[in-house]
Amino acid sequence: AQTVTQSQPEMSVQEAETVTLSCTYDTSENNYYLFWYKQPPSRQMILVIRQEAYKQQNATENRFSVNFQKAAKSFSLKISDSQLGDTAMYFCAFMKDDTGNQFYFGTGTSLTVIP
Amino acid sequence: DAGVIQSPRHEVTEMGQEVTLRCKPISGHNSLFWYRQTMMRGLELLIYFNNNVPIDDSGMPEDRFSAKMPNASFSTLKIQPSEPRDSAVYFCASSLRGYGTEAFFGQGTRLTVV
Repeated sequence: AQTVTQSQPEMSVQEAETVTLSCTYDTSENNYYLFWYKQPPSRQMILVIRQEAYKQQNATENRFSVNFQKAAKSFSLKISDSQLGDTAMYFCAFMKDDTGNQFYFGTGTSLTVIP
Repeated sequence: DAGVIQSPRHEVTEMGQEVTLRCKPISGHNSLFWYRQTMMRGLELLIYFNNNVPIDDSGMPEDRFSAKMPNASFSTLKIQPSEPRDSAVYFCASSLRGYGTEAFFGQGTRLTVV
């Protein structure tokens, strides 16, 4: 079974500052996909960023970027220029690259952006 | 596309009653997932379907829970009889299997069993 670990239950950051959320995973697969989802108070799950394991280049989406370390099985999310709207629960997720398409989620990190 | 549609948004029911949650996945998606979210256990995968066929239901907590997907555009999660510990937010998600695409989530159903 695959496991996804987020070791930071809660974090806070000052507005306009940078914050990094950690995620590690355990798998014996060689090819897979990793995701970060955001869940604001509205509870809607929103995809933030996606990374294919076969790509060495780290994914970026505007203020959001990842540091993907395949050998270390680490997938951290960096949020630059934090905004109040970034306040949310963030979930790291893993998906095997096979026919299953099953998603495995971490327990989440609650991020608060302080004005 | 309207996205994944779940109904109802909120449900309050008495212990022992039957509860049915509904989901309409995104058109063209061939994988559907039911998740339960609680403070204590986070996001738990209950069951998922590929092409309307249940693939893995090992996350279904008890026989009181059942899920069906009679066609590609509709799925239900039923709890009978309901218990207070079933209170949670239930999410439905869909994705396009085999392409590494993300799961798209509905807005969830907040279930309260009193």
